[in-house]
Amino acid sequence: AQSVAQPEDQVNVAEGNPLTVKCTYSVSGNPYLFWYVQYPNRGLQFLLKYITGDNLVKGSYGFEAEFNKSQTSFHLKKPSALVSDSALYFCAVRDRGSTLGRLYFGRGTQLTVWP
Amino acid sequence: EAGVAQSPRYKIIEKRQSVAFWCNPISGHATLYWYQQILGQGPKLLIQFQNNGVVDDSQLPKDRFSAERLKGVDSTLKIQPAKLEDSAVYLCASSLDQLDTYEQYFGPGTRLTVT
Repeated sequence: AQSVAQPEDQVNVAEGNPLTVKCTYSVSGNPYLFWYVQYPNRGLQFLLKYITGDNLVKGSYGFEAEFNKSQTSFHLKKPSALVSDSALYFCAVRDRGSTLGRLYFGRGTQLTVWP
Repeated sequence: EAGVAQSPRYKIIEKRQSVAFWCNPISGHATLYWYQQILGQGPKLLIQFQNNGVVDDSQLPKDRFSAERLKGVDSTLKIQPAKLEDSAVYLCASSLDQLDTYEQYFGPGTRLTVT
């Protein structure tokens, strides 16, 4: 069965500091991995995805994520946080071997960046 | 390009009443998804359409939920009768195709409160 764990409900970081939002996954086959961000009263917005190739993936707004197969992790990172990055972040996984489009989401991590 | 449109944005009903949500996907997107997001959890797939056919409704409570996609474009999700536990945000998403590599684009959601 596919599942995603985001071990931290909340991450707090000062503006200008690096941030990391953690994600680990479990799939029966090889994964496709995604990060989405959700601002209040808005839908999920795509940030980045890992499909194949380089384990370090760069996405929107300066975010990047590193795929680590041995640790089954896909942590989201940003070198220098902005107050405007404050939002709810979701990690999601798809089974590469499945013909269906189902995404399995984690519970989400609330990121707060203070000035 | 225009994003995924959903209406209404908010709905309050009493238990045992019926309710319907509408979604208009991004033009040209063949795949449409309905997700349920309960407060404090990640979105969970209810149903997936490929054009106007259902490809995955394994998580849809079919005794009370129904969905259709008219002419492979707009979609309607209905709940009849509603229960208290149906209180959630209902998200519609679309993608170019159901292939693994395509990210899903989400609408703003409909927040349903059942009293």
